[in-house]
Amino acid sequence: QLQLLEPVPRLVKPSETLSLTCSVSGASFSSSDVHWAWIRQPPGKGLEWIGSISYNGRSYSSPSLKSRVILTVDTSKKQFSLNLTSVTAADTAVFYCARHVSVTAFDFWGQGRLVTVSS
Amino acid sequence: DIQVTQSPSSLSASVGDRVTITCRTSQGVSHALSWYQHKPGHAPTLLIYVASTLQSGVPSRFSGSGSGTDFTLTISSLQPEDVATYYCLQDYGPPLTFGGGTKVEIK
Repeated sequence: QLQLLEPVPRLVKPSETLSLTCSVSGASFSSSDVHWAWIRQPPGKGLEWIGSISYNGRSYSSPSLKSRVILTVDTSKKQFSLNLTSVTAADTAVFYCARHVSVTAFDFWGQGRLVTVSS
Repeated sequence: DIQVTQSPSSLSASVGDRVTITCRTSQGVSHALSWYQHKPGHAPTLLIYVASTLQSGVPSRFSGSGSGTDFTLTISSLQPEDVATYYCLQDYGPPLTFGGGTKVEIK
């Protein structure tokens, strides 16, 4: 199971950093076949992959967001985090965390939360 | 970057109809394509991975086919609970890219 840790920020001001953490339970966190991913869906739009990170910290992210995305992992707590810097209204979205396995793709998803960027 | 073109963007069909959704990638991705069902207020769920393997627990009316650049999701007999938006995803290599989505409704 994947679960976004509370408190999940519902409102973030423009130019600030959006921070989310996902906790993993009931699944192997440190498998070489697994990456931990972030995906978002802006209101009325489709799904967008943000980035993925492995248990050893190797990460990759969308070129369009790469300069603003910081992905980290804490294997001792079985948690992974997203920091999205310098947010604007265009970053308003439902954010999901997910498990990305090399064969089965995104097979488990967290519950998703709407984060609004507004002053 | 690999672009994914999904069609149609929406469709309306009757219960029991056969429904087909396609995804085309801008370059070959072998079988690295998966399909997701997304209902409002819920997280997406995996239907099909590596192009044609049905995820455990998914009804057998869902099937996937294709390889290379052209892929298809088929619902053999549309049911009311299948109303949702469907997405394909290529994970051949980063960046990972989703198709634009297909909204499926009942006529």
